[in-house]
Amino acid sequence: AQKITQTQPGMFVQEKEAVTLDCTYDTSDPSYGLFWYKQPSSGEMIFLIYQGSYDQQNATEGRYSLNFQKARKSANLVISASQLGDSAMYFCAMRTYSNTGKLIFGQGTTLQVKP
Amino acid sequence: SAVISQKPSRDICQRGTSLTIQCQVDSQVTMMFWYRQQPGQSLTLIATANQGSEATYESGFVIDKFPISRPNLTFSTLTVSNMSPEDSSIYLCSVGTGDYNEQFFGPGTRLTVL
Repeated sequence: AQKITQTQPGMFVQEKEAVTLDCTYDTSDPSYGLFWYKQPSSGEMIFLIYQGSYDQQNATEGRYSLNFQKARKSANLVISASQLGDSAMYFCAMRTYSNTGKLIFGQGTTLQVKP
Repeated sequence: SAVISQKPSRDICQRGTSLTIQCQVDSQVTMMFWYRQQPGQSLTLIATANQGSEATYESGFVIDKFPISRPNLTFSTLTVSNMSPEDSSIYLCSVGTGDYNEQFFGPGTRLTVL
């Protein structure tokens, strides 16, 4: 069965510090993709970063980077230099090539950035 | 990227009624996806809408409750039928681009059923 697990319901970080949000996944499909989304209180889902299972390097997008450890089946999101506007819910999601376009989501992590 | 709009952005409805949610994309896409996010929960896929064929529903979701239309490659509707308070959720449509390495969501429709 395919599954995404986020074990941190809530996280706090001091402004300007880095924070890591954990995500582990389970799939038997050798080809898959991993996504991170940010959901502010407005409810919109903002796409942050993508990592393919065959990508050799960890994905980076500005202050976001994905720490991809394939053997451990983990895809942690690292946010550097946290800002107050980073306070939101963060979801990890996965899709497999056998289920193109369908995303399976974790339960999410609420991040609060302290001034 | 893809720009997705949804109507309505929010609504308050009476139980037993139906609501149709529209999703418009600024480019042609093969598949459109409808998700539900119940209060305090994660997102769950309701169905995949393909142009020119019946929608494919996930386990636990049925066509009679959530009929979907896909008249062209840029538009889809989701109807929530015979609503009950348990249907109070955010409903989001989503599309993928290229080889689905990017997937974008509409702003969502926040539905409250009284």
